[in-house]
Amino acid sequence: KAGVTQTPRYLIKTRGQQVTLSCSPISGHRSVSWYQQTPGQGLQFLFEYFSETQRNKGNFPGRFSGRQFSNSRSEMNVSTLELGDSALYLCASSLEGLAGDEQFFGPGTRLTVL
Amino acid sequence: GQNIDQPTEMTATEGAIVQINCTYQTSGFNGLFWYQQHAGEAPTFLSYNVLDGLEEKGRFSSFLSRSKGYSYLLLKELQMKDSASYLCAVRAYNNAGNMLTFGGGTRLMVKP
Repeated sequence: KAGVTQTPRYLIKTRGQQVTLSCSPISGHRSVSWYQQTPGQGLQFLFEYFSETQRNKGNFPGRFSGRQFSNSRSEMNVSTLELGDSALYLCASSLEGLAGDEQFFGPGTRLTVL
Repeated sequence: GQNIDQPTEMTATEGAIVQINCTYQTSGFNGLFWYQQHAGEAPTFLSYNVLDGLEEKGRFSSFLSRSKGYSYLLLKELQMKDSASYLCAVRAYNNAGNMLTFGGGTRLMVKP
C-alpha cells in the first residue's frame, strides 16, 4: 500500500506570493490533517478534512485555507506569504480521524519564504 | 485549550534505558500517542494509550495515567539509531470532533 505523498517536497517563494501544497492520503483513508512544523513552535495543527468538509481548525489566520476532493486528496493554500510562514508542512491521513486511528504522516513540503 | 509538556533534550548511552516524560492538561481526553521523528523526516507512529497502564512493543513501552495527566515513553537497549525527536501528542474531543495536539518534542541523543 502506498504511503502518504506530498508535492512539492521543496518550495521557495517570496513575501506576498501565494502557495498551494498537495497531499494524497493512503488509499481508503478519508481523514486528512495538516500541520505546520517550525523549530520554535513544534508541530502545530492547521486543520482536518473529512469527506470534503473541514471538520476541525487550529489557531491560524485566514490566510491559511484548505480543501478536500472527492477522492480524499487535499490541498492547502497560503496567501500573502510572510517570512514566518517558512516551515515544514506535514499532512497526515487516517481512516476516519476517530479516537484510536493512527495518523500516517507524509514526507512534508519544506516551504522557504524569502 | 491544551497544554503538553515534555523535556526539550535528553542524552543517554547506547545499551542503556531512557524514560521520556510527558504531562498534559486537557478536557475531552481521547488518547495519547507517541511519535518518533528523525531529523529531516516525517514523524512515525510508536504507540497509543487510551486506558491507564503500560503498553509494550519490543524495546519501546508507553505508560499512561489519566488521573495524573501523565505519560512516559520507555526505550530499552538503546541503539544509536534511536537518536531522534520523540513527540507526545494528545487527542481530545471537542464539538467538531477529535483533534491531535503535539508537545514540543524531546530530542534524544544516544552516545556510544
